[in-house]
Amino acid sequence: GAGVSQSPRYKVAKRGQDVALRCDPISGHVSLFWYQQALGQGPEFLTYFQNEAQLDKSGLPSDRFFAERPEGSVSTLKIQRTQQEDSAVYLCASSSGQGVGYTFGSGTRLTVV
Amino acid sequence: QKEVEQNSGPLSVPEGAIASLNCTYSDRGSQSFFWYRQYSGKSPELIMFIYSNGDKEDGRFTAQLNKASQYVSLLIRDSQPSDSATYLCAAVGVGGSQGNLIFGKGTKLSVKP
Repeated sequence: GAGVSQSPRYKVAKRGQDVALRCDPISGHVSLFWYQQALGQGPEFLTYFQNEAQLDKSGLPSDRFFAERPEGSVSTLKIQRTQQEDSAVYLCASSSGQGVGYTFGSGTRLTVV
Repeated sequence: QKEVEQNSGPLSVPEGAIASLNCTYSDRGSQSFFWYRQYSGKSPELIMFIYSNGDKEDGRFTAQLNKASQYVSLLIRDSQPSDSATYLCAAVGVGGSQGNLIFGKGTKLSVKP
């Protein structure tokens, strides 16, 4: 596609509910990143894929967070048993290689109530 | 802990003035640096990147890098009200963080008409 597409745009989840956030990167971009951005803060790194391989997941805050990119294109970030502190905007970005600028999607705003 | 530090602001400048945004980074091994602009409620968009010491100009924007001082800056000439946004500085991680961008918390810029 022309840009990075994320869905849903907004998600309200009850505490304890599982959620799945989708990212469709720019066609041909091998690198895909997930970031979490709390209000008034910069994006915080969660995890990084190169094609289907998850090369770095050091930023995932707990084992409730899981990401996959099984065919090297679309990625899903899953959060199990959501907590209020999970409320944030989840940004996906893709790039054609290391060290080049990333293109961000519009993000998914998750609110846990 | 690899960090990118920015003054959160707000930085207020009159229309037509030069806005100067500053950033320091802790990882001396970082080689690539990026400036993103983020309007309220929107995702970050890439403005400039810089790899080499010195200045890099693109229209009204000039990025400056001093690796010895671990310092990056962004100058915006002839500031316009439409430049009012949060500006995020980012460095490409090295070592275990290789490939992902480490963001500062952002500086909020307000350009007054």
